[in-house]
Amino acid sequence: ETGVTQTPRHLVMGMTNKKSLKCEQHLGHNAMYWYKQSAKKPLELMFVYNFKEQTENNSVPSRFSPECPNSSHLFLHLHTLQPEDSALYLCASSQDLGAGGITDTQYFGPGTRLTVL
Amino acid sequence: KQEVTQIPAALSVPEGENLVLNCSFTDSAIYNLQWFRQDPGKGLTSLLLIQSSQREQTSGRLNASLDKSSGRSTLYIAASQPGDSATYLCAVRDYNQGGKLIFGQGTELSVKP
Repeated sequence: ETGVTQTPRHLVMGMTNKKSLKCEQHLGHNAMYWYKQSAKKPLELMFVYNFKEQTENNSVPSRFSPECPNSSHLFLHLHTLQPEDSALYLCASSQDLGAGGITDTQYFGPGTRLTVL
Repeated sequence: KQEVTQIPAALSVPEGENLVLNCSFTDSAIYNLQWFRQDPGKGLTSLLLIQSSQREQTSGRLNASLDKSSGRSTLYIAASQPGDSATYLCAVRDYNQGGKLIFGQGTELSVKP
């Protein structure tokens, strides 16, 4: 088991629903990430937070709304999603955003499998 | 824009074989390259990380090499086991995109007993 947990593990929602994905890391890290993994496509970075501040929004539609109340928790709020948003959503954390640093390994959670009907 | 390609997309081998997974990237301006393993329905586990100044890294039966100038990396798995069955992902930390991790699509490995 990694030090990054995600809930729920599976979620089925209609296009008019509002739901939230939760990520929690117990590693004392300061940076957290949301990724989307669609079938047969590479992982796509969605959002990055460093010390609770959003540092990157990778042109993600506004129907996805992230929230980072503290360095240990990251949420992804979902509303009026489309069927093409069905995917595995992965959360990750790293010590911080020191690019190229030896300790910049990202640790991933198990993901939330989202199905939009 | 950086692109990462992994070949083959899928591979099936009998137990005990040595095998090589390939990863190529289009821009050599990277901080490092990382190999991950992903089991079905699960998250990613980091296997090996090679800094841009390094040529290879080893962990147990795994050996990863990096040739930054040619934009290539290989992951060598010795004496494969059924437990090695998983999808293997290669990712580069891209210098020109602020250190963002750019992933390949992965190689799905099946090791038959």
